[in-house]
Amino acid sequence: LAKTTQPISMDSYEGQEVNITCSHNNIATNDYITWYQQFPSQGPRFIIQGYKTKVTNEVASLFIPADRKSSTLSLPRVSLSDTAVYYCLVGGVDSSYKLIFGSGTRLLVRP
Amino acid sequence: GAVVSQHPSRVICKSGTSVKIECRSLDFQATTMFWYRQFPKQSLMLMATSNEGSKATYEQGVEKDKFLINHASLTLSTLTVTSAHPEDSSFYICSASQAGLGGAFFGQGTRLTVV
Repeated sequence: LAKTTQPISMDSYEGQEVNITCSHNNIATNDYITWYQQFPSQGPRFIIQGYKTKVTNEVASLFIPADRKSSTLSLPRVSLSDTAVYYCLVGGVDSSYKLIFGSGTRLLVRP
Repeated sequence: GAVVSQHPSRVICKSGTSVKIECRSLDFQATTMFWYRQFPKQSLMLMATSNEGSKATYEQGVEKDKFLINHASLTLSTLTVTSAHPEDSSFYICSASQAGLGGAFFGQGTRLTVV
C-alpha cells in the first residue's frame, strides 16, 4: 500500500487559493488518488479523485504530474468553513482496496 | 451521491457492557465496509475490513474477539465493542465502497464514551 506524505499544517486567509501537495513515491499502476476533508467529530468527506493529469469538480481541482509520484489539491478562494483536516490517500478502485490514512494536513483559514 | 449512515452518533456506556454500532449504505450496495477508530488530534486507524457474507479481516493489533464485526447484507455492517472499558472510548467511523463507485464513502462517526 502506497504511503503518503503531506505537510502537517497550513495557514491561509479567506479568499486565497490553497494548494496542498501530497507525495506518494511508490504509487502502483492501478492506484487512484483520492482526497478527503474531515471536520472535528465527523466522518471524512470525499472531495475529489483522479488517476492522472487534472481533474476538476465544483469544489476543488486535483493536479497529478506524469510520474504520479505526487498530487496537489487546489482549493480556490477558501473560506473560514474550509478549515479542516485534508487527507490524501492512494489505492485501487475495486471494492476491496483498503484506505490507509496518513497524518493529513490541518488547514486553518483565517479571516 | 453515495450516502453512508452510521448509528448511533453518540453513546455512553458502563464499563463491562457491550455496544453495537450500525453502518448502512443507503443508496448503493456496499460489497466492502471498513471500520476505523480515531483518537483526538490523530488520524483514522483502520481496524478491519469486512466483505458481505464473509468473516472480517482485522488489522494487526486489533482484537477480533473484542471488536465483533458482522456484514450480513450488502447494506449493513455492525461493529460490537464487547466488554467495553474506558480505553475503548474513541470515535468510530465506518466506510463503504462498491466496485466502480469511484471511492469509499464514510459515515458520520460514533463517539463512544465508556464510564
